[in-house]
Amino acid sequence: GNSVTQMEGPVTLSEEAFLTINCTYTATGYPSLFWYVQYPGEGLQLLLKATKADDKGSNKGFEATYRKETTSFHLEKGSVQVSDSAVYFCALTLNYGGSQGNLIFGKGTKLSVKP
Amino acid sequence: DAGVTQSPTHLIKTRGQQVTLRCSPKSGHDTVSWYQQALGQGPQFIFQYYEEEERQRGNFPDRFSGHQFPNYSSELNVNALLLGDSALYLCASSMGRGTEAFFGQGTRLTVV
Repeated sequence: GNSVTQMEGPVTLSEEAFLTINCTYTATGYPSLFWYVQYPGEGLQLLLKATKADDKGSNKGFEATYRKETTSFHLEKGSVQVSDSAVYFCALTLNYGGSQGNLIFGKGTKLSVKP
Repeated sequence: DAGVTQSPTHLIKTRGQQVTLRCSPKSGHDTVSWYQQALGQGPQFIFQYYEEEERQRGNFPDRFSGHQFPNYSSELNVNALLLGDSALYLCASSMGRGTEAFFGQGTRLTVV
């Protein structure tokens, strides 16, 4: 079946440290890949996305590259800030004739950044 | 633009009761999807409504039902509540079925 596996947290970093959160997927067909972020007490916000192999999604200093050969979409940021503390979800969706299917999420990785 | 709004924000129900959650999509959006997020887990897809019809459904029992109104707002109904139904219920809206989904802040349901 279709699924997303991401590294378990929590991840604790000092401000300005480098961040990597690993995400791998299993999918039939050609999925679109996403990273969502959930701040405490809030809903999900789309952080970045990539719709085909080798695409790089980027936003707010975060990046992720769609790697078909390794079925991965790892999230990276060169220098994290305290305000990046949140739960990060990797997700995929399959496309059916131009229509987007439902989102399939990983379990989430909690990031805490200390000053 | 108010974005996706959900009501209520919190509620507590007793096992066996029924509950209705509401969602107003972002302005201009016509598709609404519902997700269940258990504590410490990722959201799980419940179903999606488009043009007032259920278009996709996840692996949830028939106790979970929904409706979409002509103004595109939506309701999620859960009958015969179980303790395991305690979760954050998220609504997401999009314009058509191939565009970015925007999420509301969710409704926290506690079943006691």
